[in-house]
Order: sequence, then structure tokens, then C-alpha cells
Amino acid sequence: DAGVIQSPRHEVTEMGQEVTLRCKPISGHDYLFWYRQTMMRGLELLIYFNNNVPIDDSGMPEDRFSAKMPNASFSTLKIQPSEPRDSAVYFCASSTGLAGYEQYFGPGTRLTVT
Amino acid sequence: GENVEQHPSTLSVQEGDSAVIKCTYSDSASNYFPWYKQELGKGPQLIIDIRSNVGEKKDQRIAVTLNKTAKHFSLHITETQPEDSAVYFCAARWSTLTFGKGTMLLVSP
Repeated sequence: DAGVIQSPRHEVTEMGQEVTLRCKPISGHDYLFWYRQTMMRGLELLIYFNNNVPIDDSGMPEDRFSAKMPNASFSTLKIQPSEPRDSAVYFCASSTGLAGYEQYFGPGTRLTVT
Repeated sequence: GENVEQHPSTLSVQEGDSAVIKCTYSDSASNYFPWYKQELGKGPQLIIDIRSNVGEKKDQRIAVTLNKTAKHFSLHITETQPEDSAVYFCAARWSTLTFGKGTMLLVSP
């Protein structure tokens, strides 16, 4: 398997623009997680899905952030409108379970909002 | 919610020395404690984990210990090598994983 695939790897955009990050989980994994990584706050869980259904989105910072998982092989994280403080590395991870199962991380998308 | 404190934030050792990273957690209900290694430009990767019914686990040069009473757990790397240089994250799980802030380990040849 190719592992978790994320695109783009790098995104530079201007404040106010819409940004869409994409993720393809490992085939057969029932859980998908979106994380944000910054120096100040470390790795933060934004939202996770089970069988394509959002289960916990309490980590989503505000209404400008939204995530979808239309099928088992694709998820998006959208920021609209983007702000400079959204600059971070966004990771997608997938796993076969929630309780005590290894999470496989993608390579991340480095987002810079100017 | 769960809170995980990780120390030190940076650690420099000479090749061949041992390295120890420590974490404390707040939620006594946490029962799963993984450690992830993140190399530059990559996502975190699981290197070892321990569950609450075990006090210690080893895998070659890496070991993890857990003290449930004190609510702390540690990563031990022996005979460090330059390729061990990376950022290491501890995590604790009650429902979802909560990560520590990370430790940047630098192993000098």
C-alpha cells in the first residue's frame, strides 16, 4: 500500500482565499483523522471520521473550517476564508480502530497564508 | 480533557549515549500510551506503544516504562545513532489520542 496520501504538499495562499486540503486514507482503514501541527500548540486533533461519518469535530477551531468524507477513499479539509493564523502543517491519519490502534500519518500539507 | 506534558523540549546527546524522554498525563482513565517519531518533512510514525496493564516494553534499542500511580511514562533509547535524530512525541489515550508537545532529539556523531 502507498500509505496515506495528502495533497498538495505545500500551499501558499493569500488571506481571505479558500483552501482545500485532500487526503486518501489507507484502503481498509475505518477511521480518518485530521490534525494541525504548530510550534506553539503541537499536534491538535481537529476532527475524526468513522466509516465516513464525522464523529467528533470539537477540535475544529471555528466555522471557517469544515471537513467532509464523501467516500471511504477520500476526505477534504476546507478553510474559508483563510487567515494568517491558519498557517500550519495539516496531517491526515488513518487507522483500523480507535482504541489503541496505530495511526498512520500522511506526509502533511504545509499551509502558508500571507 | 486529557493533558500530556513532555520533557525535555530539546535533547542533545553524543552517539552511543542513552536518551530519556519523559511524559506525564492527567487522566487516570488513559489506557494506551504510544510514542511517535517524526523525521524532517514527514508525518509522525509509531515506534513503540504500551498499554496500562504493562509496566515496561522493549524493542531492540527502544524501551518504554509506565508508572500508572504517578501517571508518567518514559521513552528510553540506548546506544543512540545519528539516524535517531528526530522529534519524538508521546501520547495518551482516553477516547482519542492527546499528544505531548514533542522532544527534538539531536544525536551528534
